[in-house]
Formats: sequence, C-alpha cells, structure tokens
Amino acid sequence: GNSVTQMEGPVTLSEEAFLTINCTYTATGYPSLFWYVQYPGEGLQLLLKATKADDKGSNKGFEATYRKETTSFHLEKGSVQVSDSAVYFCALLYSSASKIIFGSGTRLSIRP
Amino acid sequence: ETGVTQTPRHLVMGMTNKKSLKCEQHLGHNAMYWYKQSAKKPLELMFVYSLEERVENNSVPSRFSPECPNSSHLFLHLHTLQPEDSALYLCASSQGLDKEQFFGPGTRLTVL
Repeated sequence: GNSVTQMEGPVTLSEEAFLTINCTYTATGYPSLFWYVQYPGEGLQLLLKATKADDKGSNKGFEATYRKETTSFHLEKGSVQVSDSAVYFCALLYSSASKIIFGSGTRLSIRP
Repeated sequence: ETGVTQTPRHLVMGMTNKKSLKCEQHLGHNAMYWYKQSAKKPLELMFVYSLEERVENNSVPSRFSPECPNSSHLFLHLHTLQPEDSALYLCASSQGLDKEQFFGPGTRLTVL
C-alpha cells in the first residue's frame, strides 16, 4: 500500500546550521508530495509542495525536490533559525484518492 | 476571518456531557475533513465531506457525529466521550479531494 516514512526525531540543531529531514514514500504512479509544518499550539500549515517528478517546491528558505528514482522528498534549509522549531510532516496525495497520507512527523528544535 | 477557523480552541468536558466542535472555512473550498491528533500517534483521518456529502468514515466510534450543513461549515458533535478521546481535533478543507488541504488551528479537547 501507499505509505510515507520520515526520519525519527527529535532533531536538534544550532542556529544557522544546515537542515535535512529525510522523507521517502512507497506508492505506485505519480502522487503529489507535500511538507506541512506544525508550530506549537497550532494546526498544520502547508509549507511546500511538488506535483510531478523533478519538481522543486520552495518556501521560506525551505526546499524539497521530488525524486522519483529514489522515491524521496527530503526537506532542506541552508540556515535554520530558532523560529523554525516545529514538527514537520511529509505527505502524499493521489489525484484518485480522497485522503492525504501523512508521515509520523519529525520534531525539530533549534538552539540559539 | 480568513482561512480555516475552529471554535472553541480549548474544551474540557465530562464523560456525560454533550458538546460540539465547529469549523468554518473562508476559502471557497468544497471538501472538508476532521482529523484527530493524539500525542505519539500518527494523524488520524476521521471524516471526509465532499460537496456536503460524507465520502469517508474511518471506523470512528458513534460517540463522534459529524454534520456538514453547507460547504463552509463542519461540526463534530460529541457525546459520552472517554478519557482516551482527549486529543487535538483538526479541521481541514480543500478545493477538491485531490488537492492540498488547509488546516485550522485545532480544538484541544480534554475529557475528564
């Protein structure tokens, strides 16, 4: 079946460090891929998306590239800030389906 | 108001109470969703509505009863809840079942 696997957290980094949060998926065909972010006490916010192979989604300094050959959609940011501390969810969606499949979430903490 | 709003933001109820959660989307979307988010568990999809018709009900106990009176509003009626129902309840909406979802801030429910 379809599934999303993301690296387990928590991930703790110092401010200005480089961030990678790994996400791989299992699916047939060509799903759309998303990263959502959840700040403390809030709901999920769409961070970025990619709808086809080799697409790069980007927002607020974060980037992720849809890699069909490795079935991956890793989230990266060149220089993290304390305000990036949150839980990040990778997700996939088929156009023929009625629900998004979410990963388990990765908690990120940034030290000043 | 913009985006997806949820009220109340916090709710404490006894096991014999009846209460309702409200969600309103101001995005002109035609699909709405209820999710349950518990600590240390994956995000659980509860109900899906498309064009005000329920299209998915993921084996949710009958003590949770959804209602979608129009495309902008979604309710979750609660009665005779159990302490294990304590969680963050998230509402989301999308323009079509095959498009990205936008989430509200959630209602933090505590059942005593």
